[in-house]
Formats: sequence, C-alpha cells, structure tokens
Amino acid sequence: QKEVEQDPGPLSVPEGAIVSLNCTYSNSAFQYFMWYRQYSRKGPELLMYTYSSGNKEDGRFTAQVDKSSKYISLFIRDSQPSDSATYLCAMNVGDYKLSFGAGTTVTVRA
Amino acid sequence: DVKVTQSSRYLVKRTGEKVFLECVQDMDHENMFWYRQDPGLGLRLIYFSYDVKMKEKGDIPEGYSVSREKKERFSLILESASTNQTSMYLCASSLMSGRNEQFFGPGTRLTVL
Repeated sequence: QKEVEQDPGPLSVPEGAIVSLNCTYSNSAFQYFMWYRQYSRKGPELLMYTYSSGNKEDGRFTAQVDKSSKYISLFIRDSQPSDSATYLCAMNVGDYKLSFGAGTTVTVRA
Repeated sequence: DVKVTQSSRYLVKRTGEKVFLECVQDMDHENMFWYRQDPGLGLRLIYFSYDVKMKEKGDIPEGYSVSREKKERFSLILESASTNQTSMYLCASSLMSGRNEQFFGPGTRLTVL
C-alpha cells in the first residue's frame, strides 16, 4: 500500500463548478500538508500549505486536513479554465522528505 | 523569486549512453533533490543532497548517481541509460529549516531509445 493515496482522475468539470480533490495517507506522523499545482510541461509549484489539522483558505482555494481520518482535501470554488492542471498532494513529518500523491488531472471546460 | 533551472527541457539518448542532467538554484538553498515523475506513480525521490559533496539515496537510486560540487548545482548521472529510465526528471531545492517547501525546476523529459 502506498503511503499517500490520490485518485488520479481525470476530473472534468464545467467552468464555475466546485472542484473537490482529496488524498488519504497511512503515516500518522505526518504534520505538514501541501498541495502543489503542475501545469502541463512545467514543474510543480506550491499552492497551499497547512500545518496539522484544520482549514486554510486562500482566495478561491480551501485546504482541509483531518488528521483523525488521515484525509486531506483541496476545494477550488468558481473554477476557471486556467485551473486546468495536475494537483499533487504532499506531506511530511517535519524533515526534508516529502511524500507525494500520484496527482489528479483536472480539466475545467469553458 | 526562487529560481531552479534545468539544463535541458527535452533530451533523447540511446541505450548505454552516459547522461548528465544538471540543475542550478539561485536562492542559496541547502537541500537539493532529484525526482522522476511517471504517470500513475507520482514523484519518486532518486537522490537528495543536504550540503556540498553530501548525498543520500532516495527511494529509487538504482541506475543513477549524483554530484554536488557547488552549493547551487546538483547533477544527476545515468551511467548507462536504459529504456526504463525514460521519464520526466524534476529537480527541486529547499531550505534546511523552515516549512520544507520544495521549489521545482521545469523538468527534463528524457527519452532513451
């Protein structure tokens, strides 16, 4: 079993819809949770960063962490075609190493 | 802005060739990483370096080696390229302390024929 599980999709939604992405994990020592966005033929870039449990909001993006269920989510409200990308969850225990999900490919249709 | 650059965007090599992939970062980061990215498998860590001339194996080091002679530069070497090393290779860097955010380069798409 992988340490971090993420449904690869693909996910296709109409413009303006809410996009819901999630990851589950097995290591209860994970404390730092991140979402990276990767456009086609580009490297990943950090989108959201959360420490421990709770919610974090940044504009149209909301990240949620539920450590009791070992489950993290990313919501994109009022999705735009420019949100079309692959979204990767990542997490770590506080050292150098990040454990990544496989990534979910999202297409927002105009 | 942190900038991580990689020497090539696309590379085509033949089986058995020695391949060098270079990565340079301009933010004085201590940590540097090499990953490969394959569909359905996500990012897998090949090697990691936390200081000049220091290196540690990641999850899939077989068939690869690395070199870090200067703080800003981290090279990935495929001693004898094989077709199963066809992949997207991503370099990243991060600070030694802090929130462990990794900054990625644009990637090198390597095809081994």
